[in-house]
Amino acid sequence: DQQVKQNSPSLSVQEGRISILNCDYTNSMFDYFLWYKKYPAEGPTFLISISSIKDKNEDGRFTVFLNKSAKHLSLHIVPSQPGDSAVYFCAASLNSNSGYALNFGKGTSLLVTP
Amino acid sequence: DVKVTQSSRYLVKRTGEKVFLECVQDMDHENMFWYRQDPGLGLRLIYFSYDVKMKEKGDIPEGYSVSREKKERFSLILESASTNQTSMYLCASRHLTEQYFGPGTRLTVT
Repeated sequence: DQQVKQNSPSLSVQEGRISILNCDYTNSMFDYFLWYKKYPAEGPTFLISISSIKDKNEDGRFTVFLNKSAKHLSLHIVPSQPGDSAVYFCAASLNSNSGYALNFGKGTSLLVTP
Repeated sequence: DVKVTQSSRYLVKRTGEKVFLECVQDMDHENMFWYRQDPGLGLRLIYFSYDVKMKEKGDIPEGYSVSREKKERFSLILESASTNQTSMYLCASRHLTEQYFGPGTRLTVT
């Protein structure tokens, strides 16, 4: 059963505007969340993360918000640029001894148009 | 700089063939992972390893096996390739809570 859900398979945003990508999770034991960005024919690259003890983390144009009570996180990109066009994966980690395998969502394909 | 390499970017194999996908990391990480990525399904964990010669099944291990004889190398083996194993295969290694991915191998089984 999918424990990390990205319910929007795609999103289109104009250059300069805000992109908001959403992610929901079902397992309240997840304690670390990450966003990865993936271009076609390349491996995912780490973008930004947030620990469950925080509700916001910011890195340049990228901000991740975590709402633990709603089991929801979102990635904000401001301002959006055409180079941001990629597939974005939300991932969650359990604090377990089994190697911190990540649970990934199915991804949201972001298209930023000029 | 972190580096995870995979032996092939593109691979075409026939049904029934034994297939080896190799992954090497140069960061002395203990944990390594194999995922497959399919459209609409995201990344799904096949196997992972937390030490040399140690392995754990992920969510979809059927039809696959792995080998970790050296810390830097983690191999994924398709014992008898089938067409439903056509996919993008991604290897990763872990440092703290972050995973670093290789460029992926696009495998086509005909």
